[in-house]
Amino acid sequence: GAGVSQSPSNKVTEKGKDVELRCDPISGHTALYWYRQSLGQGLEFLIYFQGNSAPDKSGLPSDRFSAERTGGSVSTLTIQRTQQEDSAVYLCASSLYWGRTEAFFGQGTRLTVV
Amino acid sequence: TQLLEQSPQFLSIQEGENLTVYCNSSSVFSSLQWYRQEPGEGPVLLVTVVTGGEVKKLKRLTFQFGDARKDSSLHITAAQPGDTGLYLCAGSAGPQKVTFGTGTKLQVIP
Repeated sequence: GAGVSQSPSNKVTEKGKDVELRCDPISGHTALYWYRQSLGQGLEFLIYFQGNSAPDKSGLPSDRFSAERTGGSVSTLTIQRTQQEDSAVYLCASSLYWGRTEAFFGQGTRLTVV
Repeated sequence: TQLLEQSPQFLSIQEGENLTVYCNSSSVFSSLQWYRQEPGEGPVLLVTVVTGGEVKKLKRLTFQFGDARKDSSLHITAAQPGDTGLYLCAGSAGPQKVTFGTGTKLQVIP
């Protein structure tokens, strides 16, 4: 597609359940980022994929969070045993490669844990 | 760890006023971007600056990259209600992940 696509756009889940969030980056973009944003706040870095290199997971808040990127394209962010504090908008972005750092964002997935 | 601090955090002004938002770091960046985010949307790129001292203009918005490439400013002339949003600066130093600033929430009152 022309832009970064995220699904679902909204997700309501019960506390303790697992959720999967999906990101389709712009075709050809080798760098992919996941961020978390609480209401009206800045972006909290979660994880970064660059080509075939090992991902930078330094922003993942706990071992309940994990992400993978298959075939250098689609990425899935998984949150296990969700907690209410996980409620936020999860944003995915991609960029062409590390030398060109302009990032293009999806519209995000709004996760609500009840 | 690269940190980008933005100031002010919040700004509420009347339509027609001018304003400046600052983005500061102790790290040197090879490039720096400014994004605007509206409610319910992802951030949208406004501009990229790469050269120390560079100034770029986008209609009523003027972006400047510091000489040492550690800081940047965004100046808006005659603000309009359509300028309302969250402004984010972001930078990268070579083959590292993009670091985002803390954000400045701007409200322009008609």
